[in-house]
Amino acid sequence: GENVEQHPSTLSVQEGDSAVIKCTYSDSASNYFPWYKQELGKRPQLIIDIRSNVGEKKDQRIAVTLNKTAKHFSLHITETQPEDSAVYFCAASKTSGTYKYIFGTGTRLKVLA
Amino acid sequence: NAGVTQTPKFQVLKTGQSMTLQCAQDMNHNSMYWYRQDPGMGLRLIYYSASEGTTDKGEVPNGYNVSRLNKREFSLRLESAAPSQTSVYFCASSEVAAVNEQYFGPGTRLTVT
Repeated sequence: GENVEQHPSTLSVQEGDSAVIKCTYSDSASNYFPWYKQELGKRPQLIIDIRSNVGEKKDQRIAVTLNKTAKHFSLHITETQPEDSAVYFCAASKTSGTYKYIFGTGTRLKVLA
Repeated sequence: NAGVTQTPKFQVLKTGQSMTLQCAQDMNHNSMYWYRQDPGMGLRLIYYSASEGTTDKGEVPNGYNVSRLNKREFSLRLESAAPSQTSVYFCASSEVAAVNEQYFGPGTRLTVT
């Protein structure tokens, strides 16, 4: 069945360094790839998303890249800050067939001051 | 706008008891979802409703039932609670099924003893 794998499960970086989280998906028909951030005890919230017709999207310190041939996409956070500490989830979905996201298992990011 | 609301916030049940988790959204969204979140497992879809009048199973539907009461409300019922259903439950909604941002409710922490 459809599957999204996410790595690493935990990531610690020094404040100011960059963080990269990677996801691979199995369904080649997937065409929408969102990233969600979940702070401790809070609800997940969308931070950035990308559709299959583009290869990269940036929003200030956050960027996402997509390689459809290899079926993987990555989240890049530059100049990390303590408030970036959270759990990050990737997901994949598609416009046809089933109407649901498949989420990765999450990455716990710790930014060390 | 309140966004997505859920009740209750916390619940403790004994094995075999039943309960209904309530979810409502005021964004006029067509699609609604129920997820459960367990440590290390990410967000797993229980049931979803792509549009008013339709419901479909997700990845982990066993032991649950849902009702899309109207466009605003989507409830999740546990008929006979089991300890394996101890989890945090999130409701979410989106404008169009799957390929848009999902807005999450604050979650319900359920413990089954």
